[in-house]
Amino acid sequence: QSALTQPPSASGSPGQSVTISCTGTSSDVGGYNFVSWYQQHPGKAPKLMISEVSKRPSGVPDRFSGSKSGNTASLTVSGLQAEDEADYYCCSYAGNNLVFGGGTRLTVL
Amino acid sequence: EVQLVESGGGLVSPGGSLRLSCAVSGFTVSDAWVSWVRQAPGKGLEWVGRIFSKTAGGATDFAAPVKGRFTISRDDSKNMVYLQMNSLKTEDTAVYYCTKYGSGSFHNWGQGTLVTVSS
Repeated sequence: QSALTQPPSASGSPGQSVTISCTGTSSDVGGYNFVSWYQQHPGKAPKLMISEVSKRPSGVPDRFSGSKSGNTASLTVSGLQAEDEADYYCCSYAGNNLVFGGGTRLTVL
Repeated sequence: EVQLVESGGGLVSPGGSLRLSCAVSGFTVSDAWVSWVRQAPGKGLEWVGRIFSKTAGGATDFAAPVKGRFTISRDDSKNMVYLQMNSLKTEDTAVYYCTKYGSGSFHNWGQGTLVTVSS
């Protein structure tokens, strides 16, 4: 199973919104509503930010939202803050397999 | 509070074996699905494998790169999960994370343990 495709980098100024895409196929992203997003700061373990395409776990700010259209999922961060600067990974269920995207480094300018 | 603490990482020669442990608190491992995810130095995340809950049959499944070499087991009396890694290759070098898994998502993560496969 090939990795999902994410842009290597994204950026925005404080207060702006940024959207990160995650493109797969009908065998993963397009076939299941089991897309999740993870935030990882340098040297730290990843943290679940969005599950099942658009569900926000308790404690995750509502500035983070997820969506999906066809074979592409998206993570939108609204009202960017300095602490949002991190790596973001998408992940999709794909039958008896789970596949991650290559990651996107989000820079807050 | 859910906590997962990995241990057992270290330096091992190619072809060698290593067993990683994951000590769990805040939930009962027999009632949960637990998954291992790894991250090679400077690289992205990669799913390794998972063990189903007892009620779901307790089966395991693995990603293609590790299938046949890695196994996952559980000790319900100790509330621990283990990742047994055999026939290790240099490309298995990574930080290995233990996670609580459900509905296609990795909900809680340990701090990770580094495995280095090198001669």
